[in-house]
Amino acid sequence: HSALTQPASVSGSPGQSITISCTGTDSDIGAFDRVSWYQQHLGKAPRLILYAVTYRPSGVPVRFSGSKSGNTASLIISGLQTEDEADYYCCSRTDTDNPVFGGGTKLTVL
Amino acid sequence: DVQLLESGGGLEQPGGSLTLACEASGFKFHIYAMGWVRQAPGKGLEWVAAIGGGGESTYYADSVKGRFSVFRDNSESTLYLQLNSLRADDTAVYYCAKEMSGSYGEIFDSWGQGTLVTVSS
Repeated sequence: HSALTQPASVSGSPGQSITISCTGTDSDIGAFDRVSWYQQHLGKAPRLILYAVTYRPSGVPVRFSGSKSGNTASLIISGLQTEDEADYYCCSRTDTDNPVFGGGTKLTVL
Repeated sequence: DVQLLESGGGLEQPGGSLTLACEASGFKFHIYAMGWVRQAPGKGLEWVAAIGGGGESTYYADSVKGRFSVFRDNSESTLYLQLNSLRADDTAVYYCAKEMSGSYGEIFDSWGQGTLVTVSS
């Protein structure tokens, strides 16, 4: 499976909303509601922020939400905050059961 | 609190071998599947391998199949990744990650701090 496709970068101002897309195929995102999202600050380990498309782990702010349509999943961050500046990765189950990550998106908060 | 502490990274020559370890604490280690995810310098995340809670089932990315081996010692709450026939493109930070459930998949709810493996002559 090839890596899922994400935009290299997105940006927004504090208080705004942004969306990061993650595009796969009928064999991964399109086949399962099994998409997770990870936030990675510079020099740090990744952190799970969404799983099963829309579910937030305990402690993740409600401004992080997710959706899926066809072969594309989306991460929506509402009310952007400066601490949201980080890299974001999607990850999906595939028809081989092995997971595949997206290439990552750098979020800049202007 | 869940803690995952990796060790064993370092500089190795092409064709060489290394064994990474991940000491786990703060949860019932034997219940959960565990995985390894790597990140080459300046690049994105790549899933490498996973192992079921009991250790009998293992899974590998095509890029490492036949060269890497994942195993665990539940009595010591430690996960391992043996890296053989190392290549330059194996150079990466290797993260140990806990799965959210007993089954392997795409939900890694805790991560270690990573250990750097550099393959170079």
